[in-house]
Amino acid sequence: GAGVSQSPSNKVTEKGKDVELRCDPISGHTALYWYRQSLGQGLEFLIYFQGNSAPDKSGLPSDRFSAERTGGSVSTLTIQRTQQEDSAVYLCASSLGGRLQETQYFGPGTRLLVL
Amino acid sequence: AQSVTQLDSQVPVFEEAPVELRCNYSSSVSVYLFWYVQYPNQGLQLLLKYLSGSTLVKGINGFEAEFNKSQTSFHLRKPSVHISDTAEYFCAVSEFPGTSNTGKLIFGQGTTLQVKP
Repeated sequence: GAGVSQSPSNKVTEKGKDVELRCDPISGHTALYWYRQSLGQGLEFLIYFQGNSAPDKSGLPSDRFSAERTGGSVSTLTIQRTQQEDSAVYLCASSLGGRLQETQYFGPGTRLLVL
Repeated sequence: AQSVTQLDSQVPVFEEAPVELRCNYSSSVSVYLFWYVQYPNQGLQLLLKYLSGSTLVKGINGFEAEFNKSQTSFHLRKPSVHISDTAEYFCAVSEFPGTSNTGKLIFGQGTTLQVKP
């Protein structure tokens, strides 16, 4: 079975533009997480999906960030009006059921650079 | 609020030498503990996890970690490292009962292990 995939692998954009990052979780995994990895902040949790619902959005840094998940599968993280501080690697992970003790399987990430 | 501290940002070590990567956490409730490894240009991969039971946990690639509740530590060890172990290592916790019980991970800042020939 395929692992978690993310696209694009790299994205360069200009300040003020919107970007969409995509995550394809492992088939059958109901839980999906987005994290951000940046030099200054390390690895930070952004949002958690269980099915198509997002019961925990506590890590989204501003209202410019949003995410959705459709069909209990693919998720899209959207950043509006990008800022230079949004430059980071965005990681997606999935787990079977979202329980605390489960292993999260990570994708390779999308490297975002905002000029 | 929970936090994870990895005491060393970089650990250089010669091939075949032993290594210990240190991790301490703070939490007012119980935690599950994880170590993940990130090889260059790859996603994170689970090395091992502590859920309950024996405090010594064995993982992949010859790594092991010991949970010490009194010292709130979860140090990672390997008796003999290889060049291929060069990577970044992350300690992480999930807290229970948490405010959301969503399984989100709180990560340390990471430790870069540099294995030299």
